[in-house]
Amino acid sequence: DAMVIQNPRYQVTQFGKPVTLSCSQTLNHNVMYWYQQKSSQAPKLLFHYYDKDFNNEADTPDNFQSRRPNTSFCFLDIRSPGLGDAAMYLCATSRRGGTGELFFGEGSRLTVL
Amino acid sequence: AQSVAQPEDQVNVAEGNPLTVKCTYSVSGNPYLFWYVQYPNRGLQFLLKYITGDNLVKGSYGFEAEFNKSQTSFHLKKPSALVSDSALYFCAVRDSPAGASKIIFGSGTRLSIRP
Repeated sequence: DAMVIQNPRYQVTQFGKPVTLSCSQTLNHNVMYWYQQKSSQAPKLLFHYYDKDFNNEADTPDNFQSRRPNTSFCFLDIRSPGLGDAAMYLCATSRRGGTGELFFGEGSRLTVL
Repeated sequence: AQSVAQPEDQVNVAEGNPLTVKCTYSVSGNPYLFWYVQYPNRGLQFLLKYITGDNLVKGSYGFEAEFNKSQTSFHLKKPSALVSDSALYFCAVRDSPAGASKIIFGSGTRLSIRP
């Protein structure tokens, strides 16, 4: 089945130690998103890509970076995680120009010690 | 600017009873409306959408939602609740196709179905 796969599902890191979360998709969607979700709150958009065009939300901290080397893969880099960055990170895709529903991965839960 | 509101943090229903999870929205153009469900430690799963056409849309797991333009609402419903429906539900809206605007999520409603 076509899907969105996130790795790792659970990541534990130490304060200040860089972390990379990955997302791959077999849906061939050209729009990819990274969301941060804390404590069952609404997902908060960090970045999105329309094809290779990168779009950074105005309030996304500089500590967060993203890469999309090809259509299928997208990475979220947290350069120096703080305790406040502990959250669920969700990757999602959608088809540009389509009706716009998002297809989510299972998420990566980040714990910062 | 577009926005979406879920006025209830929690909804409690007995198994077998009908359930409703409320959602109201505000957009400048024609709305694209969605419902998602999230189980613990999982990603969001798409349930259903309204783009155009019939105001009553049917989705996964027996859920349906009614689009009401005059009340700017898109309430999620199910005729007979199951314990397995217990989860976190998010309403979402965008005002144009993917690529032209962001999708905005409501704050979520926790649905609890008691046996």
